[in-house]
Amino acid sequence: AQTVTQSQPEMSVQEAETVTLSCTYDTSESDYYLFWYKQPPSRQMILVIRQEAYKQQNATENRFSVNFQKAAKSFSLKISDSQLGDAAMYFCAYRSALYGGATNKLIFGTGTLLAVQP
Amino acid sequence: NAGVTQTPKFRILKIGQSMTLQCTQDMNHNYMYWYRQDPGMGLKLIYYSVGAGITDKGEVPNGYNVSRSTTEDFPLRLELAAPSQTSVYFCASSYPGQGAAGELFFGEGSRLTVL
Repeated sequence: AQTVTQSQPEMSVQEAETVTLSCTYDTSESDYYLFWYKQPPSRQMILVIRQEAYKQQNATENRFSVNFQKAAKSFSLKISDSQLGDAAMYFCAYRSALYGGATNKLIFGTGTLLAVQP
Repeated sequence: NAGVTQTPKFRILKIGQSMTLQCTQDMNHNYMYWYRQDPGMGLKLIYYSVGAGITDKGEVPNGYNVSRSTTEDFPLRLELAAPSQTSVYFCASSYPGQGAAGELFFGEGSRLTVL
């Protein structure tokens, strides 16, 4: 069974600085997706960035980028020029690319609570 | 485009009561899911459905039931509510597999308290 581990329960960053959130996962599959979701106090789950395992190039979305190391099963999120609105819980998640049933469920880590200091 | 809509957003139940959390999506997604999120934890899968008439258990199904009579709707039924079911519940939907790069679309969540 696949697992996702986030070893940093809480992180803090100064406004305008850069912070990296860590995520490791375990799987025997070769084709899958990895995600970072943001959950602000409003509770809404917001997709931040997505990485397809078959792509070697790291995904980027504006100030957000990932460092995807497939062999090491590592998927970290880098937030550059941190803003007060980035303060939230961040979840790393895994999803199999195989077709069918429970294999397509999203498996979540326990989350990292990010505080942004003004 | 409303996406995934959950109701109610908040509910307080007494022990032993029953209720249904409603979920509907307008994106014609085949796959739908119910997750629960306990304080300080990630989301855990309760039930999922791969299409109308087909449902199956996730990691934590005890105390819940679901049905999927249409593509759009996927209600979650809580029978004999217990304090352990106090949580935030999320409904989500998606295309299967690589159809839409694997993204799940979430509702806004329903906070349930059982006293």
